[in-house]
Amino acid sequence: AQSVAQPEDQVNVAEGNPLTVKCTYSVSGNPYLFWYVQYPNRGLQFLLKYITGDNLVKGSYGFEAEFNKSQTSFHLKKPSALVSDSALYFCAVRDPPFGNEKLTFGTGTRLTIIP
Amino acid sequence: GAVVSQHPSRVICKSGTSVKIECRSLDFQATTMFWYRQFPKQSLMLMATSNEGSKATYEQGVEKDKFLINHASLTLSTLTVTSAHPEDSSFYICSASRVDYGYTFGSGTRLTVV
Repeated sequence: AQSVAQPEDQVNVAEGNPLTVKCTYSVSGNPYLFWYVQYPNRGLQFLLKYITGDNLVKGSYGFEAEFNKSQTSFHLKKPSALVSDSALYFCAVRDPPFGNEKLTFGTGTRLTIIP
Repeated sequence: GAVVSQHPSRVICKSGTSVKIECRSLDFQATTMFWYRQFPKQSLMLMATSNEGSKATYEQGVEKDKFLINHASLTLSTLTVTSAHPEDSSFYICSASRVDYGYTFGSGTRLTVV
């Protein structure tokens, strides 16, 4: 069964500093990995995904993530945080074989950027 | 591109009534749509997967007679909460899968049952 863990419920970062939101996963095959951001009372907005290819994936709003197969991780990063990055972030994984399209989400990490 | 429209965004209904939530893919065909439920400060819980023209597949513990899902076309899926009760109050989100292996989410529906 596929699963994903976000070990930090809350991450606080000073504005202008680099940020990292952690995610580890467990799948039986080669994973499809996703990061989404959610603002209050809104749906999820897509940030980036890893399907295949380069391990470093660049996405929306200056975010990037690195797929690390040996550590089964897909941490979200940004070089310089903005106050507007404050939101709830979800990592998700899909175990692609045999027509499985279901996404499994982590528990979410609330990112707060301190001015 | 790849926009999913979900409405209503908010709905308040009386206990015992039914509520329908619509999820439309506006600029692409979504053969598979998903319905999630999100409790305050918690993650998304997958309720069911719907495929166009066939019955939805419900996750374990989700009452299919309470949460009726219809996926009548490649661009529309509906979730009907039947005989709603206060414990059904929640944030419901739909998503649609795309051919590029991505997913697009609706903006969510806040259901309050009074």
